[in-house]
Amino acid sequence: AQKVTQAQTEISVVEKEDVTLDCVYETRDTTYYLFWYKQPPSGELVFLIRRNSFDEQNEISGRYSWNFQKSTSSFNFTITASQVVDSAVYFCALTSGGGYQKVTFGTGTKLQVIP
Amino acid sequence: DGGITQSPKYLFRKEGQNVTLSCEQNLNHDAMYWYRQDPGQGLRLIYYSQIVNDFQKGDIAEGYSVSREKKESFPLTVTSAQKNPTAFYLCASTIKPGQSYEQYFGPGTRLTVT
Repeated sequence: AQKVTQAQTEISVVEKEDVTLDCVYETRDTTYYLFWYKQPPSGELVFLIRRNSFDEQNEISGRYSWNFQKSTSSFNFTITASQVVDSAVYFCALTSGGGYQKVTFGTGTKLQVIP
Repeated sequence: DGGITQSPKYLFRKEGQNVTLSCEQNLNHDAMYWYRQDPGQGLRLIYYSQIVNDFQKGDIAEGYSVSREKKESFPLTVTSAQKNPTAFYLCASTIKPGQSYEQYFGPGTRLTVT
């Protein structure tokens, strides 16, 4: 069985602050993929990043960065210098087991950036 | 512009009525999915289809039905057998079936049954 835990239900930060969203996963498979999606108030989930289990390099994309650590089964997401437009629900997701892509989503973290 | 269309955005039905949610994609993706989202919960898979004329049950298929007669269309019917149908429904697709592909989502349909 696979599981994704996003322990932070809601986070509020003041604009320009840095914020880290935590994601802890569980899987018995050695090959797996981790994803982050953003769900703005409009409702449509938007893909942000994919990372496979064999690539532990951290990634930076503009103000976004991701820290993948297999030793702690974590795939954390940091937003630097947050902006109001970053306000959304962020989901971490996991696929593993090969074959059909069964995606397990975390329960999401609602981020509110206050101007 | 390529993408996924779901209609309508909001849908209201009386208890005991079946209702069909539309999902259309022009991305030429092989695989399509239906999810249900409830407040404070992650997305839960209802049905998925890896190819035309084929679909499989997800984790919460009871009370739902689907069809995949065309590659670009994957409608979801919420039947009267679904005990708690009020929810936000999201349709998604991937270019191919498989664990490595990111999902593309539609804007969702919010269904309210009274």
